Amino acid sequence: AQSVAQPEDQVNVAEGNPLTVKCTYSVSGNPYLFWYVQYPNRGLQFLLKYITGDNLVKGSYGFEAEFNKSQTSFHLKKPSALVSDSALYFCALYSSASKIIFGSGTRLSIRP
Amino acid sequence: DADVTQTPRNRITKTGKRIMLECSQTKGHDRMYWYRQDPGLGLQLIYYSFDVKDINKGEISDGYSVSRQAQAKFSLSLESAIPNQTALYFCATSDLGQNHYGYTFGSGTRLTVV
Repeated sequence: AQSVAQPEDQVNVAEGNPLTVKCTYSVSGNPYLFWYVQYPNRGLQFLLKYITGDNLVKGSYGFEAEFNKSQTSFHLKKPSALVSDSALYFCALYSSASKIIFGSGTRLSIRP
Repeated sequence: DADVTQTPRNRITKTGKRIMLECSQTKGHDRMYWYRQDPGLGLQLIYYSFDVKDINKGEISDGYSVSRQAQAKFSLSLESAIPNQTALYFCATSDLGQNHYGYTFGSGTRLTVV
C-alpha cells in the first residue's frame, strides 16, 4: 500500500538555526513526492517536488528537500530558519490512482 | 482573482441541514478534488473528478455528494449535516502535465455544524 508518514507533530527551532522536517514514504515503483506549506487561514501552497534526477531538490522560500531512496525518506530542510517559516507543513505522495496522498502534517514553530 | 475560488469561506449550519460548498477554477485543469482537513489527520480525500462525466469516491465519501457542473466548477454537498462533519474543506485542481502532478488549492471553507 502507498503511504506517507510524518513522524513529528511539531518541530521547534530557534531563528537562524537549521531546520529539518521529516517524511518517509512507502510506494511500489518510482515515487513522486511533494512538500506543501499551509499558513493560518490559507490553503496549501506548493513548496517543491521530486520527480526524478538530483536527490537534492530546491524549492520556494529557501527550502530544499533531500530524497533518499534507500531510507525511503524525503526530508524538508532549510539552512537558516526564519520566524516567518512558522506554519504547517505537509509531505505528499502521488499515488498510482492519480491522486495525492498527504501526511498528517508537522507544525513548525520558529522562536525568535 | 484566485486560481481556485471556494465559497463560502466560513459557514455555520445546524444539524440535519443540507449545505453546498462551491469551487470554481480558472486554471483550465481537468482534474478537481475535494479534501477535508482535521487536526492531526492531514487531508482526507472525499471525492474527485477527472472530467465532467467522471466522478469518483475518495476515502471518506459517506455523507457527502458532489456535482461537476462544468470543467471549471465542482460542488460538494452535505445532504444532512452532522457535527462530526465540522472541518476545514479544500478544493484542489491538477493537470496531467508531464513532470508536474501537483495540486493548486483553494483557500478553504471552514464549516461548523452545531
